[in-house]
Amino acid sequence: AQSVSQHNHHVILSEAASLELGCNYSYGGTVNLFWYVQYPGQHLQLLLKYFSGDPLVKGIKGFEAEFIKSKFSFNLRKPSVQWSDTAEYFCAVHGSSNTGKLIFGQGTTLQVKP
Amino acid sequence: GAGVSQSPSNKVTEKGKDVELRCDPISGHTALYWYRQSLGQGLEFLIYFQGNSAPDKSGLPSDRFSAERTGGSVSTLTIQRTQQEDSAVYLCASNPGTASYNEQFFGPGTRLTVL
Repeated sequence: AQSVSQHNHHVILSEAASLELGCNYSYGGTVNLFWYVQYPGQHLQLLLKYFSGDPLVKGIKGFEAEFIKSKFSFNLRKPSVQWSDTAEYFCAVHGSSNTGKLIFGQGTTLQVKP
Repeated sequence: GAGVSQSPSNKVTEKGKDVELRCDPISGHTALYWYRQSLGQGLEFLIYFQGNSAPDKSGLPSDRFSAERTGGSVSTLTIQRTQQEDSAVYLCASNPGTASYNEQFFGPGTRLTVL
């Protein structure tokens, strides 16, 4: 069965620290990969996505993610976090055989201390 | 333009009662999805509608759950004989549905509490 695993459930960082959130998926075919973010009290929104081409993708607010096919990974990074990055982050996969549904990881709660 | 809207925002019900949750997708979006987010869990896919095609119901956890989409727009998720384990946030999403890499736009969710 397809699955997505996010290694870190709760991360606490100080402002200006670097961030890397791990995401691994289990799926043998072609995939589209997404990171969604949910800020406190707000809707889920797209942070970035990969569907083809350059495996290093850049998203909003200085976030980037690298698709490493051989490792089935799509880790999220940011060189310097801000207090406003405090949120819950979800990795999601759409597999080519799926009808359109996304398979989500369990989510990582990021707390940035000012 | 308006985003995905859901109603009610909160619903408290007693065990055994039926509930209906509503989703209004973004106008023109042909694909509509329902997900469930339980405490401490990721989002769990429930059901997917794409245009006039038969819906993908593979994620519905039991036959107490059903959903319909009328006129290709508004969708209603119905949970019959609610149980305490049904307590969760139910999220609706929509997208143009024409390509697999399309972003899904999420609504604010309905928080369901079953007492």
